[in-house]
Amino acid sequence: QKEVEQDPGPLSVPEGAIVSLNCTYSNSAFQYFMWYRQYSRKGPELLMYTYSSGNKEDGRFTAQVDKSSKYISLFIRDSQPSDSATYLCAMSAFDSGYSTLTFGKGTMLLVSP
Amino acid sequence: GAVVSQHPSRVICKSGTSVKIECRSLDFQATTMFWYRQFPKQSLMLMATSNEGSKATYEQGVEKDKFLINHASLTLSTLTVTSAHPEDSSFYICSASRDRTDTQYFGPGTRLTVL
Repeated sequence: QKEVEQDPGPLSVPEGAIVSLNCTYSNSAFQYFMWYRQYSRKGPELLMYTYSSGNKEDGRFTAQVDKSSKYISLFIRDSQPSDSATYLCAMSAFDSGYSTLTFGKGTMLLVSP
Repeated sequence: GAVVSQHPSRVICKSGTSVKIECRSLDFQATTMFWYRQFPKQSLMLMATSNEGSKATYEQGVEKDKFLINHASLTLSTLTVTSAHPEDSSFYICSASRDRTDTQYFGPGTRLTVL
């Protein structure tokens, strides 16, 4: 079993839909959770960074962490075609500044106009 | 703030040659820089972690003599792929962090194609 599991998609939705992206993990040492957006042939861009279980909201994005189930989610409200990208979850045992990140494979999201 | 650049963005080279990739933190000092490799439709795989002024720490299975990393200053780290072969063709991405309380900021990546 891989440390981080993420459905690669693609996930196709119409513009305006609510998108739900998920990752599961097996390593209970993971304490910090991140979501990155990666456009084709570009480096990842940090979207959300969470530590505790619960929800964290930033604009149209909500990150949810359930440590008891080892399950994290990213919700995108009112999705736009510009949201079309690959979304990577990442996690680490310590503050990621000094700690290695373990990434999921990424979920490709396609938002059609 | 927290911008990381990489140069070149794309490189094509012949098998057997060496290629150097630069990673720069443009508006902050990075005590730690990370090098990742990403194959198509795969996740980012950490290759090595480097702290300014000290030797890099390589992940298991990554050949340190093949992938030379130098982190000579707080704003620059280089990755040299020595004697490149077609199987080294990949997307190489660096990230940089200011300190232990900071997150990692990623560069735009370098696509290496070895013919």
